[in-house]
Amino acid sequence: GQQLNQSPQSMFIQEGEDVSMNCTSSSIFNTWLWYKQEPGEGPVLLIALYKAGELTSNGRLTAQFGITRKDSFLNISASIPSDVGIYFCAGHGRGGSQGNLIFGKGTKLSVKP
Amino acid sequence: GAGVSQSPSNKVTEKGKDVELRCDPISGHTALYWYRQSLGQGLEFLIYFQGNSAPDKSGLPSDRFSAERTGGSVSTLTIQRTQQEDSAVYLCASSLGAGEDTQYFGPGTRLTVL
Repeated sequence: GQQLNQSPQSMFIQEGEDVSMNCTSSSIFNTWLWYKQEPGEGPVLLIALYKAGELTSNGRLTAQFGITRKDSFLNISASIPSDVGIYFCAGHGRGGSQGNLIFGKGTKLSVKP
Repeated sequence: GAGVSQSPSNKVTEKGKDVELRCDPISGHTALYWYRQSLGQGLEFLIYFQGNSAPDKSGLPSDRFSAERTGGSVSTLTIQRTQQEDSAVYLCASSLGAGEDTQYFGPGTRLTVL
């Protein structure tokens, strides 16, 4: 089945640093989504990308839908302690079920004040 | 309600017992999804409802897992004869419609099978 490979698995950074994480797939995805999950909570949608090449920002977050439809990255600028959490990429694949998301395994972000 | 709610938030059970997990979607959302998240893993799709019917049950890991949805609203995920490998966080999400509509997640039920 379709899979998403997310990297890095974890990051330890200093407050104020920029962060970059990415997802790749061997198959095409119609959408790319980036979620953040904090302990004891469900994932919360950060950014949704619907067109190949699309670059979208949400505050300090910027994400891009790769032109090949097989990859996406998420950047966080000037990190702050509340950015701590697990970031997941997800996508709606081609064919298959209506709407179910395929998730990467997550990038755990730790921010040192 | 304001968001997706799930109950219980935590469930500890003994191997072999049956458990029921409940999801209350956002009012008016027609699509409902169940996912499973094992420790350190991403979310694994289990089943999807459009209204009260489940067009896709392909993610259910075994016939011990079943789910139903009534009145186009509340859904229950039932695991029969629980096994230790069933221990995970079970997350429910709902969206306005199916397809690529944004999915909003509940806080999950953490299931521990002893």
